[in-house]
Amino acid sequence: EAGVVQSPRYKIIEKKQPVAFWCNPISGHNTLYWYRQNLGQGPELLIRYENEEAVDDSQLPKDRFSAERLKGVDSTLKIQPAELGDSAVYLCASSLNNYNEQFFGPGTRLTVL
Amino acid sequence: EDQVTQSPEALRLQEGESSSLNCSYTVSGLRGLFWYRQDPGKGPEFLFTLYSAGEEKEKERLKATLTKKESFLHITAPKPEDSATYLCAVQAVYGGSQGNLIFGKGTKLSVKP
Repeated sequence: EAGVVQSPRYKIIEKKQPVAFWCNPISGHNTLYWYRQNLGQGPELLIRYENEEAVDDSQLPKDRFSAERLKGVDSTLKIQPAELGDSAVYLCASSLNNYNEQFFGPGTRLTVL
Repeated sequence: EDQVTQSPEALRLQEGESSSLNCSYTVSGLRGLFWYRQDPGKGPEFLFTLYSAGEEKEKERLKATLTKKESFLHITAPKPEDSATYLCAVQAVYGGSQGNLIFGKGTKLSVKP
């Protein structure tokens, strides 16, 4: 069974530029999560989707971050414009529902110069 | 506020030298405690879920236990391939972070041959 797929794996951009990350969850998983992980820290939730509905986006910086989950499958996380402090690893995870274990993708390492 | 504290931050062991990692938590009603393993440049890999005090789960050289205030991950006769960062996370029943995973900073384990 294929795991969670993310792309790109690495991205280097100048500050104030836009950037987008893509995630394809495990087939049949209704819940999708985006996390941010800073160096030496655990992942922190940005947004949680149940099918196509964003049910918890309280930690998403809405002035510059946006996300969507088309048809309840793939998801895209966007930052516009990027700031130096956005440099981190962005992880996507999925689960059958919010009460099952979450399976993580490999992450996208973002560097903002 | 829901919180997870892991100790030690880093642990160096000789191959075969057994030890334990600690995860202390405060949460508004524990729904589940999760252990993950994370290798450099990869996303977290699910290991165990524990739901109630007294519960234990094992996988190869790893054994996870749970009390009302903390969880231990015991590593018996570790091998170099067990080297990784081990993350602990809790899921609360109540409160602002209800249903979300709250991660600790992790313990970086190094096993020398």
